[in-house]
Amino acid sequence: EPEVTQTPSHQVTQMGQEVILRCVPISNHLYFYWYRQILGQKVEFLVSFYNNEISEKSEIFDDQFSVERPDGSNFTLKIRSTKLEDSAMYFCASSPDRVFAHEQFFGPGTRLTVL
Amino acid sequence: AQTVTQSQPEMSVQEAETVTLSCTYDTSESDYYLFWYKQPPSRQMILVIRQEAYKQQNATENRFSVNFQKAAKSFSLKISDSQLGDAAMYFCAYRVYSGGGADGLTFGKGTHLIIQP
Repeated sequence: EPEVTQTPSHQVTQMGQEVILRCVPISNHLYFYWYRQILGQKVEFLVSFYNNEISEKSEIFDDQFSVERPDGSNFTLKIRSTKLEDSAMYFCASSPDRVFAHEQFFGPGTRLTVL
Repeated sequence: AQTVTQSQPEMSVQEAETVTLSCTYDTSESDYYLFWYKQPPSRQMILVIRQEAYKQQNATENRFSVNFQKAAKSFSLKISDSQLGDAAMYFCAYRVYSGGGADGLTFGKGTHLIIQP
């Protein structure tokens, strides 16, 4: 069964450094998303991406964040200058076409630790 | 803005018993979807069940069923014949239907379900 994959599973970085989190959505899916879950808190929507551009973004998704689909398979989240409060689990998700876009399939997550 | 509230931070049930997890939500929209996601210790979010707001019939997936009360904005999850593998965090989530797929999910804070052997 196809699944969303994410790399790395755990990323440790120093405050102020740039990080790139990578995701490979399910092939043929058209909508892509990033979510964040700070330890012990609820999952929060960051951004959605469709047709090579951002469709929706939350208040959390400020200028420090960017997303990109550099090729036909990868979907990346970049944090330009990490802060301690960026430490969280980051989940990528994808949805099929518009008809079935209500179903989002999640990846296993990347745990980001900012020191 | 939409909000999702799960009032039970933790629930415990004996194996083989039935447990109900509560969820309420607030929205001014008429078309939307509601979901229950399971997050085991591995942290991956797994879809358990989905309900379309326009459907009056409650969704059922094997041992999992929902009680959807649109007027009360309530969406509870019932797990029958609880199994040890059901132990996890359960998140209730909402998504508006806008005709496209760009909308993100709004999650509740989760309920930690413990299964007692």
